[in-house]
Amino acid sequence: EIVLTQSPGTLSLSPGERATLSCRASQSVSSSYLAWYQQRPGQAPRLLIYSGSSRATGIPDRFSGSGSGTDFTLTISRLEPEDFAVYYCQQYGSSPPEFTFGGGTKVEIK
Amino acid sequence: EVQLVESGGGLVQPGGSLRLSCAASGLTFSNYAMSWVRQAPGKGLEWVSDIRSNGGTTNYANSVKGRFTISRDNSKNTLYLQMNSLRAEDTAVYYCAKDRGGGSGWGFDYWGQGTLVTVSS
Repeated sequence: EIVLTQSPGTLSLSPGERATLSCRASQSVSSSYLAWYQQRPGQAPRLLIYSGSSRATGIPDRFSGSGSGTDFTLTISRLEPEDFAVYYCQQYGSSPPEFTFGGGTKVEIK
Repeated sequence: EVQLVESGGGLVQPGGSLRLSCAASGLTFSNYAMSWVRQAPGKGLEWVSDIRSNGGTTNYANSVKGRFTISRDNSKNTLYLQMNSLRAEDTAVYYCAKDRGGGSGWGFDYWGQGTLVTVSS
């Protein structure tokens, strides 16, 4: 079973600052199956990035994903007030077929 | 507009059963793989189960294998999760989520609002 470890657990930043979120896998993951989600309080998750670096429909270009192998990064170039939320990475592995989520990174207002 | 609406959650005693439904609209339901994802109170996301577009392949997390059964009725645009032998640790909000593709793993681009399942005596 692949384990995804997200760091830091909490990121305290001010609006306008850059946020860099890390997702590390316990073994190599295909970037084709690596996604990032945003979850605001009381809401369902929202897909931000799929296939490691492709933005989902309607996602602003301040969100970007990168990485390969075991290390992946979500970057928010300039934080807007609505970006303060929890972010999860997720991977799909085919052997065995299963999805795994990271533990999440909370981006909070400093 | 794609909509996923879950129903069937509630309070159930340990050892009991519950069936969740997820009604889909605004999409060609039979084209897409679907999953159930849960979130315990104050915790992170946990994938539960998925089913391919034609219903021919299903997979389960180890934590629910042998107790939960996922199914779909493409003629009714509905996804189901039959949950048996429920335990306290199954208490969570259960979301249905649509995969971007007919196979699984391409990212969940639409989610329902969730339905709360509480397992307690």
